[in-house]
Amino acid sequence: KAGVTQTPRYLIKTRGQQVTLSCSPISGHRSVSWYQQTPGQGLQFLFEYFSETQRNKGNFPGRFSGRQFSNSRSEMNVSTLELGDSALYLCASSFTGETSTDTQYFGPGTRLTVL
Amino acid sequence: QKEVEQDPGPLSVPEGAIVSLNCTYSNSAFQYFMWYRQYSRKGPELLMYTYSSGNKEDGRFTAQVDKSSKYISLFIRDSQPSDSATYLCAMTRYSSASKIIFGSGTRLSIRP
Repeated sequence: KAGVTQTPRYLIKTRGQQVTLSCSPISGHRSVSWYQQTPGQGLQFLFEYFSETQRNKGNFPGRFSGRQFSNSRSEMNVSTLELGDSALYLCASSFTGETSTDTQYFGPGTRLTVL
Repeated sequence: QKEVEQDPGPLSVPEGAIVSLNCTYSNSAFQYFMWYRQYSRKGPELLMYTYSSGNKEDGRFTAQVDKSSKYISLFIRDSQPSDSATYLCAMTRYSSASKIIFGSGTRLSIRP
């Protein structure tokens, strides 16, 4: 079956701009989580969506937002970009979002560079 | 101090060697422990998942959890060049994927 896909794979933006990243989960998966990965902080949880509702949110400023559509596809948006937002943004999907009964599958990520 | 500490490496070993990767943690409430493998330009993939203390084996991989010492390990037997990747430990108190705390990853290189 097709895996998690993320578009675009690479993005270059300048400070102050905004960006929208897209994630298509594995067919049938209703939970979509977003993570930020940087060399200094590692992998950090941004938010999780389940059936179009944000179910959990990490400790990131309000400039980071997301949404999920009825087909479970998800987008995340970062407004007023800062240099520190340069990172690999990973999306992961699963049926339920519960690790004890379900496996979470990661996409290849979107590499965002802010200049 | 981070909740999960992991030596970033890099770790370089010859093909066929036994590899030991480790993480320490500070939160005694963690119950679920995971190891992920991440190849360059790819997302992490789940390798091992364990609940509470003990050992779990899957092929050439063995995961160990020692909750009394707050220490987890991943052993790779008969290491292959294809095992060259970054290995991330991860853990959580609850089973929700949103609560997972990841280590920073250890970069492993297997020399042919």
